[in-house]
Amino acid sequence: GQSLEQPSEVTAVEGAIVQINCTYQTSGFYGLSWYQQHDGGAPTFLSYNGLDGLEETGRFSSFLSRSDSYGYLLLQELQMKDSASYFCAVRDLGNQGGKLIFGQGTELSVKP
Amino acid sequence: KAGVTQTPRYLIKTRGQQVTLSCSPISGHRSVSWYQQTPGQGLQFLFEYFSETQRNKGNFPGRFSGRQFSNSRSEMNVSTLELGDSALYLCASSSNGHEQYFGPGTRLTVT
Repeated sequence: GQSLEQPSEVTAVEGAIVQINCTYQTSGFYGLSWYQQHDGGAPTFLSYNGLDGLEETGRFSSFLSRSDSYGYLLLQELQMKDSASYFCAVRDLGNQGGKLIFGQGTELSVKP
Repeated sequence: KAGVTQTPRYLIKTRGQQVTLSCSPISGHRSVSWYQQTPGQGLQFLFEYFSETQRNKGNFPGRFSGRQFSNSRSEMNVSTLELGDSALYLCASSSNGHEQYFGPGTRLTVT
């Protein structure tokens, strides 16, 4: 089957670094994406990893290891505004290009 | 560029009714996807359209349908509404399939 596993919640303090892991099981693979969603808001795209390695975008970095079916999102210099839910997603290859499957989300709480 | 827009933003319907939700993608984006979000089930993929053709479909009953027009605008329809259909329905557009840009969603309440 197709599934993604990520922790349900993570707590960290302002200024710290936090890593949110995501493991996936799919019938095919076409890259790992990360999205952020604040309460009451829509998900917003953060990053995409199509190949193994680290992608960095400002305070956020994302890593992928296809051999381990594993990726993570790294948030540095945490700020209160980073409190949100974070979703990993994979495009599972199917008959016509694959549907996007989301993990259940990790709720990040940043404390002062 | 203007973002993804969805109408209506809020909707209250009764069981058995049907509903049509609308989505206008970012200009130039030909792919439009629909998702259902509920507290218990998270973000569930409904379907994806590309150039007026349904490219992928999630595991939802046939009461859920959609279409895409030549201008890439998309609609989804839910017939014979059930209480369990209460959810936030999100539309997303993409130019490359990897980056999904979401609209604000339509909050549907079925009573």
